[in-house]
Amino acid sequence: EAQVTQNPRYLITVTGKKLTVTCSQNMNHEYMSWYRQDPGLGLRQIYYSMNVEVTDKGDVPEGYKVSRKEKRNFPLILESPSPNQTSLYFCASSLSTRGLAEPETQYFGPGTRLLVL
Amino acid sequence: QKEVEQNSGPLSVPEGAIASLNCTYSDRGSQSFFWYRQYSGKSPELIMSIYSNGDKEDGRFTAQLNKASQYVSLLIRDSQPSDSATYLCAVKQPGTSYDKVIFGPGTSLSVIP
Repeated sequence: EAQVTQNPRYLITVTGKKLTVTCSQNMNHEYMSWYRQDPGLGLRQIYYSMNVEVTDKGDVPEGYKVSRKEKRNFPLILESPSPNQTSLYFCASSLSTRGLAEPETQYFGPGTRLLVL
Repeated sequence: QKEVEQNSGPLSVPEGAIASLNCTYSDRGSQSFFWYRQYSGKSPELIMSIYSNGDKEDGRFTAQLNKASQYVSLLIRDSQPSDSATYLCAVKQPGTSYDKVIFGPGTSLSVIP
């Protein structure tokens, strides 16, 4: 089954304690992305990756890091979480984003709800 | 100025009625337009995509695009309680290295039985 998985699904942590949210896709997609979703603000892109070892900042990258060492995995790292990073996080993947007659849809993971105390 | 705007709602319609969801965008170079449905606590799922001016129908859903007015809408005919969800408008903008997808804040729809 084609899917994007995220772990953990729920996480409560304290300010300053480093954490990693994993994301994995089994569709051999080139493009992967992290979003955060907050009430009234919609989905905002944190980081994206166009392929292995190619990552770049989205609209709200402050306080986050990512890596793309393998095509299937795209972990999101919060080195020193703060309460303003309390949010719902989604990982997404798609085959590509350029050069297609009909742009590829993004497949979203189930989401990770993070609470930073 | 927000790049993709939607009425936040909530929009309430009776069962069987037509629900009309609207979205405006600011970048005239935008090429592709999407509607996602998101149930509470769940991930977004794509329900419609549209690329050229006019209407596109898929079952009870019709997407309408007017690039001159920078306006895209979603009509849901014969609304059902199961359609109650938040609907996200997304716009794909061409970029130098990749095409960026911008999401609107979403419109909450409630279908009353």
